[in-house]
Amino acid sequence: AQTVTQSQPEMSVQEAETVTLSCTYDTSENNYYLFWYKQPPSRQMILVIRQEAYKQQNATENRFSVNFQKAAKSFSLKISDSQLGDTAMYFCAFMKWGLAGANSKLTFGKGITLSVRP
Amino acid sequence: DGGITQSPKYLFRKEGQNVTLSCEQNLNHDAMYWYRQDPGQGLRLIYYSQIVNDFQKGDIAEGYSVSREKKESFPLTVTSAQKNPTAFYLCASSIDRGSGETQYFGPGTRLLVL
Repeated sequence: AQTVTQSQPEMSVQEAETVTLSCTYDTSENNYYLFWYKQPPSRQMILVIRQEAYKQQNATENRFSVNFQKAAKSFSLKISDSQLGDTAMYFCAFMKWGLAGANSKLTFGKGITLSVRP
Repeated sequence: DGGITQSPKYLFRKEGQNVTLSCEQNLNHDAMYWYRQDPGQGLRLIYYSQIVNDFQKGDIAEGYSVSREKKESFPLTVTSAQKNPTAFYLCASSIDRGSGETQYFGPGTRLLVL
């Protein structure tokens, strides 16, 4: 079974600065997918970024980028030029590779609450 | 506008009562999912469905039931057998071309027990 660990329950960052959110996971799979989802106070889950394990290049989406270290089973999220709208809970999630169905299940970490200070 | 809708936003359940949470999507997605979120916890999968008239149990299916009579709809019933139903329930959908497809979430339903 897969597990996802987000060990920092809360973080705070000054507006316009950079912050990194940590995530580690445990799996015996070689191919898989990793995701970061954002849940703002509205509680709507929004996809931030997605990484395929077979790709060595780290995914980037505007101000959001990841540091994917497959051997270390680490998948951190870097937010550059933090904005007040980035204040949210951030969840790291794992999905197995393969046919759809059971493999499409997302396994989530417990989340980290990020506060951006003005 | 394409998206996923969930209703109601808040739902109150009395002891021994079954309640049904609605989830509708107009994204033409084949796969749909129900997750439960508890305070300080990540989301956990209750049920999922890849195709109409077929669904599978997730990690915490006990006390819940679902149906998938239409592609667009995947209602979740919280039965009286679910002893701790107070939680935030999220519905999601995705294309079903294989794993790795992004799941898109609805706005959620907050269930409270009276």
